[in-house]
Amino acid sequence: GNSVTQMEGPVTLSEEAFLTINCTYTATGYPSLFWYVQYPGEGLQLLLKATKADDKGSNKGFEATYRKETTSFHLEKGSVQVSDSAVYFCALNVMNTGFQKLVFGTGTRLLVSP
Amino acid sequence: DVKVTQSSRYLVKRTGEKVFLECVQDMDHENMFWYRQDPGLGLRLIYFSYDVKMKEKGDIPEGYSVSREKKERFSLILESASTNQTSMYLCASSLDRVSGNTIYFGEGSWLTVV
Repeated sequence: GNSVTQMEGPVTLSEEAFLTINCTYTATGYPSLFWYVQYPGEGLQLLLKATKADDKGSNKGFEATYRKETTSFHLEKGSVQVSDSAVYFCALNVMNTGFQKLVFGTGTRLLVSP
Repeated sequence: DVKVTQSSRYLVKRTGEKVFLECVQDMDHENMFWYRQDPGLGLRLIYFSYDVKMKEKGDIPEGYSVSREKKERFSLILESASTNQTSMYLCASSLDRVSGNTIYFGEGSWLTVV
């Protein structure tokens, strides 16, 4: 089946530290991959995406590369800020019998302290 | 910008009540989705719709139904609310059935069933 596995949180970092949040997936076919972010009390916002192998998605200093050989889509940022504190969800988008369907990981909470 | 609007942010209902959660999108999207979000479980798909009056079951449809009478509006219905349906409910939409299309989320509706 289709599934996404994320590292458990919370991830606690100091401001300006390097961030990695691991994400691996299992999928049939050729999924598109996404990172969504959820700030406290809000819905999910798209952070970045990649639609084919070796694509790199990037936004707001965050990056992730679609690695088909390792079935991974790890999220990285070189220098985190307090404002990056949120829950991050990795997701894959498969076409299930012709219908678009997002499958999410369980989310990783990031806490950044000054 | 795409806007997905959920009419109620916070609701408290009694066990056995019928509950309607309403969602409207303003970008003429074909696809609309209802997810629920629970700690440790991430987001799980309840129902989705790819056209007016069309609906498909997601991963956890039991205890829920949906209605899509107009393209822009997708309603989630709890026929007889139970305490295990206490959760955050997220509505989402996307343009069409292309795998790489972004799925846009509303801000969520927190439902408590007492």
